[in-house]
Amino acid sequence: QVQLVESGGGVVQPGGSLRLTCAASGFTFSNFDIHWVRQAPGKGLEWVAIISYDGTYKFYSDSVKGRFTISRDNSKTTLFLHMDSLRAEDTAVYYCARSCGGDCYPGLDYWGQGTLVTVSS
Amino acid sequence: DIVMTQTPLSSPVTLGQPASISCRSSQSLVHSDGNTYLTWLQQRPGQPPRLLIYKISNRFSGVPDRFSGSGAGTDFTLKISRVEVEDVGVYYCMQGTQFPLTFGGGTKVEIK
Repeated sequence: QVQLVESGGGVVQPGGSLRLTCAASGFTFSNFDIHWVRQAPGKGLEWVAIISYDGTYKFYSDSVKGRFTISRDNSKTTLFLHMDSLRAEDTAVYYCARSCGGDCYPGLDYWGQGTLVTVSS
Repeated sequence: DIVMTQTPLSSPVTLGQPASISCRSSQSLVHSDGNTYLTWLQQRPGQPPRLLIYKISNRFSGVPDRFSGSGAGTDFTLKISRVEVEDVGVYYCMQGTQFPLTFGGGTKVEIK
């Protein structure tokens, strides 16, 4: 079955860096665009970034542009989010989510359980 | 960016009764390809979101038929025909017509 498992979250000081990982299994990873979506504690969902199936296309929200970098390694079926210059407002659970193929595109059809990033001194 | 506005913020519902959630976008969600990329997601307590409905009214695989979506242009509705205990959670609309993808603020469905 489709599985997405995030890791790499933790506590980091303002201005610090962190790299999140999303390990995918149960589907042909290299055929699907993948997103990062975050959720601040007790708040709603915020889209962060997308990377195309082959890594050639990337798009970011304005709130993270220039600070976060999305990348993927299709040979290892793994997605990454490198986060620099972290701010308190980046504190959130970070989810990776698969973009639907086929008719349900661009819905997000499978989500990981999320990894918590806390930015605090 | 397209702003998505959901109402109500909270919807207390009696078991077995219907529930309705509205979502309005700040501009038309009709894409140049003719599709309207409006989806609905459910987030149960302590769980990641789950896709319910895509392109306004299409139920995703495994979604019960008590969930239905409707609307066009800038106004959309999610209806639950008879609320069950497992439907408790927060519901989000999301537009995928234009980047950045944007979500509504969420509507909490709870049992009275």
